[in-house]
Amino acid sequence: GNSVTQMEGPVTLSEEAFLTINCTYTATGYPSLFWYVQYPGEGLQLLLKATKADDKGSNKGFEATYRKETTSFHLEKGSVQVSDSAVYFCALTTPGDYKLSFGAGTTVTVRA
Amino acid sequence: EPEVTQTPSHQVTQMGQEVILRCVPISNHLYFYWYRQILGQKVEFLVSFYNNEISEKSEIFDDQFSVERPDGSNFTLKIRSTKLEDSAMYFCASREARSSYNEQFFGPGTRLTVL
Repeated sequence: GNSVTQMEGPVTLSEEAFLTINCTYTATGYPSLFWYVQYPGEGLQLLLKATKADDKGSNKGFEATYRKETTSFHLEKGSVQVSDSAVYFCALTTPGDYKLSFGAGTTVTVRA
Repeated sequence: EPEVTQTPSHQVTQMGQEVILRCVPISNHLYFYWYRQILGQKVEFLVSFYNNEISEKSEIFDDQFSVERPDGSNFTLKIRSTKLEDSAMYFCASREARSSYNEQFFGPGTRLTVL
């Protein structure tokens, strides 16, 4: 079956620090990969996505590259802001199995 | 921008009572989902729904759960006899049929508390 493993949090950073959240996966079939973000008190929002190997998804200064050889999709941001404080979820779907499989989520807190 | 909406935002119920969680998916979407997130745990798939029938369900989605699209706009999740362990955040999601990226759009969630 499909599964996603994320680095455990919580992660606490100072503003302008570099953020990396590791994500690795196992999948039956060729997965599409996603990062979702959940801001305090809100639902899940798609942050970025990649659908084939070596694709780079990017949005709001965040980036993640689909690495098939290492089955990874690590999330990075070069300079975080307080407003980036949220829970980040790595997720995947595979063709013919359109439900999302989520990682456990990583709580990120950015301090001013 | 179109969005998925859910009501209520918070539902408190007594164990053994029935609850109905409501969702209005994005209007041109054809695939609908329910997920849940127990506090501090990962988001788990419950059920997917297409063409007025369940297309897939997880082990969690037992006989106590049912889904319905009663009027072409609402999508509901019913729990017949709630248990303490049903306390969770429930998310509805929808997807446009021809989305090449399989992107799902999520609602803000309903927090269910079973006492």
